Amino acid sequence: SQKIEQNSEALNIQEGKTATLTCNYTNYSPAYLQWYRQDPGRGPVFLLLIRENEKEKRKERLKVTFDTTLKQSLFHITASQPADSATYLCALRLMNYGGATNKLIFGTGTLLAVQP
Amino acid sequence: NAGVTQTPKFRVLKTGQSMTLLCAQDMNHEYMYWYRQDPGMGLRLIHYSVGEGTTAKGEVPDGYNVSRLKKQNFLLGLESAAPSQTSVYFCASLSRGYTGELFFGEGSRLTVL
Repeated sequence: SQKIEQNSEALNIQEGKTATLTCNYTNYSPAYLQWYRQDPGRGPVFLLLIRENEKEKRKERLKVTFDTTLKQSLFHITASQPADSATYLCALRLMNYGGATNKLIFGTGTLLAVQP
Repeated sequence: NAGVTQTPKFRVLKTGQSMTLLCAQDMNHEYMYWYRQDPGMGLRLIHYSVGEGTTAKGEVPDGYNVSRLKKQNFLLGLESAAPSQTSVYFCASLSRGYTGELFFGEGSRLTVL
């Protein structure tokens, strides 16, 4: 069966440290992978996209890696701050074969708590 | 620019009642989606639309209907609500561009008693 797995346990880290979140998938051949941030009571907000032929993508304090052999993406937040506390979702966009579905399949998310 | 707006934000229904959730986007996006989010289940796709007048089923379509009569609006209907449909519903839209960034609304929390 097709699965996207994110660590369901909350990740607690100290302010200033690097947070690393994991997204593993099976039986998908994604065109690309996205990361979203979701705050309590709010909708997800897009952070980063990485394509299947890219190994790494950076945006300010954020870094995403994508290993299609391991079927894994790692999401890093460097110099973490309490304001980074949120749930982070990974999502796979599957290849579209002639249609126009552009469906995103989401993981369950990992809650990050950055302690001051 | 309001982005994606969902109404209502909260609603309580009794089993068997019907209701419609409205999603409106002002970004001229082609694609629109309805997801539901439940604890431990993540976001699951209910129905989606690739353009005005077209709709298609997602992962969990049973018990829901949708309509896309205007490009900017995507309606999600529950004809006979069940307690299993208690959830937070999110609408999202996507331009046809390749970046594929989804823009989400703030969610509609539905409780079915």
